[in-house]
Amino acid sequence: DVKVTQSSRYLVKRTGEKVFLECVQDMDHENMFWYRQDPGLGLRLIYFSYDVKMKEKGDIPEGYSVSREKKERFSLILESASTNQTSMYLCASKLAGGRETQYFGPGTRLLVL
Amino acid sequence: GIQVEQSPPDLILQEGANSTLRCNFSDSVNNLQWFHQNPWGQLINLFYIPSGTKQNGRLSATTVATERYSLLYISSSQTTDSGVYFCAVERGTNAGKSTFGDGTTLTVKP
Repeated sequence: DVKVTQSSRYLVKRTGEKVFLECVQDMDHENMFWYRQDPGLGLRLIYFSYDVKMKEKGDIPEGYSVSREKKERFSLILESASTNQTSMYLCASKLAGGRETQYFGPGTRLLVL
Repeated sequence: GIQVEQSPPDLILQEGANSTLRCNFSDSVNNLQWFHQNPWGQLINLFYIPSGTKQNGRLSATTVATERYSLLYISSSQTTDSGVYFCAVERGTNAGKSTFGDGTTLTVKP
């Protein structure tokens, strides 16, 4: 079975802090994704990566950056956390190609005070 | 970009009832998935179904790609079926960027 893990299930941070969310997958997937989920807004793509050191902006990249130094790990970075970044963050991965299943991690609920 | 609409937005059922959830999309796609998000927030793959029909136990799904819709059927619903059901579609290849619908929130009452 594919396993996607996220470093924390719950996280509380203060405004202005630098926040790192880590995602690891164990199935050698080329593509990895970070989404945020907010009530009434569904899932929105922040960034994705289709290879090591490669990244592309999604629909809402402002205020975020990412890092992919190893194939299995994709990190989401909030350079200076703000209260409007309080959300559920979901990581996903999949094999390259147009007809592959996407697998999600358990999510991280981030509260920025 | 592509638009994905799910209906109904909310659905309340008694245990044992059947239901149909719909996903309409505005353009041709080469990938369509149905997910169930449980109360703890985990998204679980139900079906990968860009076209055709698949069944898995009490759940089945049909995608009619030429008419740009997909249906998810839940039969003999159970309380554990409660949660949010998402449809996600993808166009293009390799990058695998998906667009999600807003979901259908299903509540199954005992």
